[in-house]
Amino acid sequence: DTAVSQTPKYLVTQMGNDKSIKCEQNLGHDTMYWYKQDSKKFLKIMFSYNNKELIINETVPNRFSPKSPDKAHLNLHINSLELGDSAVYFCASSPHGGGYGYTFGSGTRLTVV
Amino acid sequence: QKEVEQNSGPLSVPEGAIASLNCTYSDRGSQSFFWYRQYSGKSPELIMSIYSNGDKEDGRFTAQLNKASQYVSLLIRDSQPSDSATYLCAVNRPQGAQKLVFGQGTRLTINP
Repeated sequence: DTAVSQTPKYLVTQMGNDKSIKCEQNLGHDTMYWYKQDSKKFLKIMFSYNNKELIINETVPNRFSPKSPDKAHLNLHINSLELGDSAVYFCASSPHGGGYGYTFGSGTRLTVV
Repeated sequence: QKEVEQNSGPLSVPEGAIASLNCTYSDRGSQSFFWYRQYSGKSPELIMSIYSNGDKEDGRFTAQLNKASQYVSLLIRDSQPSDSATYLCAVNRPQGAQKLVFGQGTRLTINP
C-alpha cells in the first residue's frame, strides 16, 4: 500500500519535448512538494502546495508548472525540456508544513538527451 | 553560507564501530531537525527527528541537538554494512511557508 506514489519511475526524452510527472499520496496529508535532486545528491525544493493552494514557488524556470487538482494529487509539467533538467524529481507530502518531516515518493529519474 | 551544511564525505567506518555524522545550520529560528537515510537509487527515508536540545535515542541511532551552537549530529552505534548510505540532514525553515532545507548529504560506508 504505497503512501506516496510517482509515475513514471524513469523518463528518457529529447530536448525540446514536453513531459509530465504525476504524484499521489494516500496519507491524508495537507501539504505536497516537488524536490529536485541533482547528480551530487543535493535536494532542492521547487514547489509546495497546501490543500491545493500554491504556497512555495522557488526560483524555478517557468517552463516548470505544477498543478494540484486536489490535496492528494500533485503533478509537474515541464515544457521545452533542456539537458540541465536531467535529475531525479521527488514528490513528498507532510501533515502540516515541514514541522513533522516529509514522506517521499520513489522518485522519477528524468534524462534529457 | 549554505543554510544547512554537512561534510559530504565519504566517511568510512569499520563494522561494529560508532559512525558520527554532523550538520550545522544557519537559521537560529529553526525548530525542527531531521535525519534522512538514502540508499543509492532510492528515495530519502526519515530515520530520526529532534525538536529540543539534548539527545534522542532510537535503537542504534542517537540524534543530538545543540541550538546554541546551531549543530545537529547523528550517531550510529554498532554500525552494520546495511547502514552504508547517504545521510541527509534537514532543517525546517520556519519563516513564511514552512519547508525543509536539506544539506548536501554525507556518504557513509561501513567496512566489514
